[in-house]
Amino acid sequence: DAKTTQPNSMESNEEEPVHLPCNHSTISGTDYIHWYRQLPSQGPEYVIHGLTSNVNNRMASLAIAEDRKSSTLILHRATLRDAAVYYCILRAARSNDYKLSFGAGTTVTVRA
Amino acid sequence: NAGVMQNPRHLVRRRGQEARLRCSPMKGHSHVYWYRQLPEEGLKFMVYLQKENIIDESGMPKERFSAEFPKEGPSILRIQQVVRGDSAAYFCASSPEASGSSYNEQFFGPGTRLTVL
Repeated sequence: DAKTTQPNSMESNEEEPVHLPCNHSTISGTDYIHWYRQLPSQGPEYVIHGLTSNVNNRMASLAIAEDRKSSTLILHRATLRDAAVYYCILRAARSNDYKLSFGAGTTVTVRA
Repeated sequence: NAGVMQNPRHLVRRRGQEARLRCSPMKGHSHVYWYRQLPEEGLKFMVYLQKENIIDESGMPKERFSAEFPKEGPSILRIQQVVRGDSAAYFCASSPEASGSSYNEQFFGPGTRLTVL
């Protein structure tokens, strides 16, 4: 399975942007880049995903490098509610890739 | 549309007892996944089920653990003769399809936190 590498932790101030990097140098051409997050004492929740182009939704933006070997999740204005562990996960676009492989993720702390 | 429901949220068992964890997927979802999160560790895939079928149980311990997803009713993760090492958070997720394409995010429940005394 293609692996991802993320920093263990990041800190941010409230109302400031947060840029979460993810390295995936062994990504294959059909792998999607997915991000999930897990708030304290809750189950993971989907954040965003992309293949080649940058993506935006109401929660975040995903910037994907041109060579696809890295990506960055951007939280535009962090709030206290964004404090969570963020997971970068690769998923192949095939019918039998159903397992989500969670690594250690990045623990985001937001200071008031 | 109600999300994925799991019960109980907290379960305490003594060593040797049985634990039954229930998961009701989102309406319209026929694919269920169970993950386990041991203390201070990441989530690990355990088993994937469709209605009445186990598709992949490669992440589930060979002994004492079983899972089912009957035609009617919730999916059940059953742990027999629990040991202290089974203490963990167990999360269930559901999806409308199973593939890894862009359409199939998994929706997670709030988890069941099992404590074995």
